[in-house]
Amino acid sequence: EAQVTQNPRYLITVTGKKLTVTCSQNMNHEYMSWYRQDPGLGLRQIYYSMNVEVTDKGDVPEGYKVSRKEKRNFPLILESPSPNQTSLYFCASSLRWGVYNEQFFGPGTRLTVL
Amino acid sequence: QKEVEQNSGPLSVPEGAIASLNCTYSDRGSQSFFWYRQYSGKSPELIMSIYSNGDKEDGRFTAQLNKASQYVSLLIRDSQPSDSATYLCAGVGGGFKTIFGAGTRLFVKA
Repeated sequence: EAQVTQNPRYLITVTGKKLTVTCSQNMNHEYMSWYRQDPGLGLRQIYYSMNVEVTDKGDVPEGYKVSRKEKRNFPLILESPSPNQTSLYFCASSLRWGVYNEQFFGPGTRLTVL
Repeated sequence: QKEVEQNSGPLSVPEGAIASLNCTYSDRGSQSFFWYRQYSGKSPELIMSIYSNGDKEDGRFTAQLNKASQYVSLLIRDSQPSDSATYLCAGVGGGFKTIFGAGTRLFVKA
């Protein structure tokens, strides 16, 4: 089944404890992206990747890191999480970057930072 | 800051009625637009995409785009309770980014 998977689905952690949220897609997609969703603010793009080893900042990159060493994986790293990073996170992918390409979303990761 | 604006709602319509969802955008370079539906606690899923001025129909859904007015809309005919969800409008243009609106909550009353 074609899909985007994320792990963990739920995470409660404490301020300053490094964490990684994994994202994997099995559709051979070139473009991958991370979003956070907060009430009233919609989806905001954190980072995106055009292909392996090519990443760039979205609109809200502060406090996050990403890497794209393999085409299928695009982990999101929070080196020192803070309470303002409590949010619902979505990974998404599309075949390639282009104005005609829809994005497919993972199931989401609900993160709480205490 | 490039923006996509939506009325947060909630928009409440009776079953069988037409639901009209609207979206405006600030970036004149936006070339295509997508409507995603998101049920509570779930991930967004694509409903419609539109790239050219005019209307695009797919079943009960019609997307409308007016680039001169920087306006996008989604019409849902014969609304069903299962259509109750948040609808996200997204614009795609230059810069390799997708800009999402905050979403409109739709309630369809049985």
